[in-house]
Amino acid sequence: AQKITQTQPGMFVQEKEAVTLDCTYDTSDQSYGLFWYKQPSSGEMIFLIYQGSYDEQNATEGRYSLNFQKARKSANLVISASQLGDSAMYFCAMREGFDAGNMLTFGGGTRLMVKP
Amino acid sequence: DSGVTQTPKHLITATGQRVTLRCSPRSGDLSVYWYQQSLDQGLQFLIQYYNGEERAKGNILERFSAQQFPDLHSELNLSSLELGDSALYFCASSSSAGGKETQYFGPGTRLLVL
Repeated sequence: AQKITQTQPGMFVQEKEAVTLDCTYDTSDQSYGLFWYKQPSSGEMIFLIYQGSYDEQNATEGRYSLNFQKARKSANLVISASQLGDSAMYFCAMREGFDAGNMLTFGGGTRLMVKP
Repeated sequence: DSGVTQTPKHLITATGQRVTLRCSPRSGDLSVYWYQQSLDQGLQFLIQYYNGEERAKGNILERFSAQQFPDLHSELNLSSLELGDSALYFCASSSSAGGKETQYFGPGTRLLVL
């Protein structure tokens, strides 16, 4: 079974509007972390936001917020006031447990296109 | 700029050859991770080193090996290259082996095997 599922291969959003990118995850661990990364066409992976499984509040970083619904195992990324520079691939990732081994498992990504 | 550096940026080579990819982590980071991004497999974890020791292994082929040196830079060696090894190889670093620390990614090395 997929550990990280991103069901939207591609999305369009109008500039200045908000957009939600979906991410569901599957783990039996109680301690885990969820991450979102942005990959522009240039290829680099840019860290956006982190949510820990024990964090009671949804994470926010500037225009990015993470809508964390633990019972539903979802960690959707919300981008407010979209900008043209937000056009990129977005990846949701999970780190399970906090013991030795800290690898990330990534979803298949969502390509976001911002329309002027 | 994440602070993680990778060289070279691009690499073109032939099947059967061997290449070495190099990574320097962010200042102070002890953990280095290698990931492979290909069209058919997506982003996959290969291997993690922490302070010179192998810490975790993922879907790394036997033809691939890595090490982390005393100055904490890491090298990923790919040998007997096949067409399917063409991919973007990322190095990431974090300050510890586990816990909450975020992994910061380098710009990647784009490998093309012809």
